[in-house]
Amino acid sequence: ELKVEQNPLFLSMQEGKNYTIYCNYSTTSDRLYWYRQDPGKSLESLFVLLSNGAVKQEGRLMASLDTKARLSTLHITAAVHDLSATYFCTSGTYKYIFGTGTRLKVLA
Amino acid sequence: NAGVTQTPKFQVLKTGQSMTLQCAQDMNHEYMSWYRQDPGMGLRLIHYSVGAGITDQGEVPNGYNVSRSTTEDFPLRLLSAAPSQTSVYFCASRAQGSSGNTIYFGEGSWLTVV
Repeated sequence: ELKVEQNPLFLSMQEGKNYTIYCNYSTTSDRLYWYRQDPGKSLESLFVLLSNGAVKQEGRLMASLDTKARLSTLHITAAVHDLSATYFCTSGTYKYIFGTGTRLKVLA
Repeated sequence: NAGVTQTPKFQVLKTGQSMTLQCAQDMNHEYMSWYRQDPGMGLRLIHYSVGAGITDQGEVPNGYNVSRSTTEDFPLRLLSAAPSQTSVYFCASRAQGSSGNTIYFGEGSWLTVV
């Protein structure tokens, strides 16, 4: 059965710093998604990664996928306060399983 | 540009009552699913459907029923509400095949069972 694990669960970082969130999944699947969720809101799609070695970037966020290691990373470059949110990864084919989320707080 | 529409947005139920959470999408997506999110937690899959007439169980299906009579609608029924079902419920959809890259989520339905 597919399991998805994220770490860290909580991340407090200073503005301007870089950091990486990790997403490990247990079985092969055809795609890996990253989402952002603000408190009391729905999920906002960030990235969809479809193949081994896929790398996508949007602003200060960059996501990558290594299907052999069953690992995806979400890298944050020069963090700003607006990036404070909870970030989720999810994988699967039809039965999408979510990671527990990484609650990111960027301090001014 | 409706996307995925959930109703109601907020609901309070008494223990033992039944109700239906409605989900509709106007994007002609084959795949639809229901998740619940408890406070401070991730999303857990309740049921999903890959097309009209086809449904399957997710991680936490007990206490919930679904049906998919049309492509557009995927209602979630709570048979006999329990306080443990207090949660935020999200409906999601995506297209099948290579064009189905993004999973779209509804705004959520906040359910409290007292």
